[in-house]
Amino acid sequence: QKEVEQDPGPLSVPEGAIVSLNCTYSNSAFQYFMWYRQYSRKGPELLMYTYSSGNKEDGRFTAQVDKSSKYISLFIRDSQPSDSATYLCAMTFKFSGGYNKLIFGAGTRLAVHP
Amino acid sequence: DAGVTQSPTHLIKTRGQQVTLRCSPKSGHDTVSWYQQALGQGPQFIFQYYEEEERQRGNFPDRFSGHQFPNYSSELNVNALLLGDSALYLCASTPDRGRSNEQFFGPGTRLTVL
Repeated sequence: QKEVEQDPGPLSVPEGAIVSLNCTYSNSAFQYFMWYRQYSRKGPELLMYTYSSGNKEDGRFTAQVDKSSKYISLFIRDSQPSDSATYLCAMTFKFSGGYNKLIFGAGTRLAVHP
Repeated sequence: DAGVTQSPTHLIKTRGQQVTLRCSPKSGHDTVSWYQQALGQGPQFIFQYYEEEERQRGNFPDRFSGHQFPNYSSELNVNALLLGDSALYLCASTPDRGRSNEQFFGPGTRLTVL
């Protein structure tokens, strides 16, 4: 079983729709929860990250974490064709020295059509 | 600020050859991590460098090695290339000795092994 599970999609929605992207994880040692956006043939770009359970909003994006269920979500409101990309969830695993590595999900491909 | 830069952009090699990939971190960042992203998968942690030393390694064989220079730039070397090494290789930089939760990714080097 992978440490982070993410439905690879693809997910196709009309412009203006609300998009929900989700990940589950198994390691309760994960501390921070990130969402990255990756356009085709580009590197991942950090969208937002959260630490505690609850919601964090940034413009059209809302990240939600439920540590008790080991479940995280990213909601995109009023989706635009420019949102078409692969969305990767990632979690930090912190080593004893205080530094960390990222554990990624497989990514969900999103297509927003006009 | 140029962000994280990587070179080359693309590379084609044959099985058994050796390859060197290069990364320049974001200005002010002192820690570099390398990730491998196979097609349709999320990035997987290869190793991390700080103060010119490898301090953590993921589940990758010794054919994968690296180096960090005094100016914090880094190289990833892969020996005895296999077909399965074909992937996008991503470099990520982090400030604060790697303790920051934000990792900034470069555009990647796409390696094709024939």
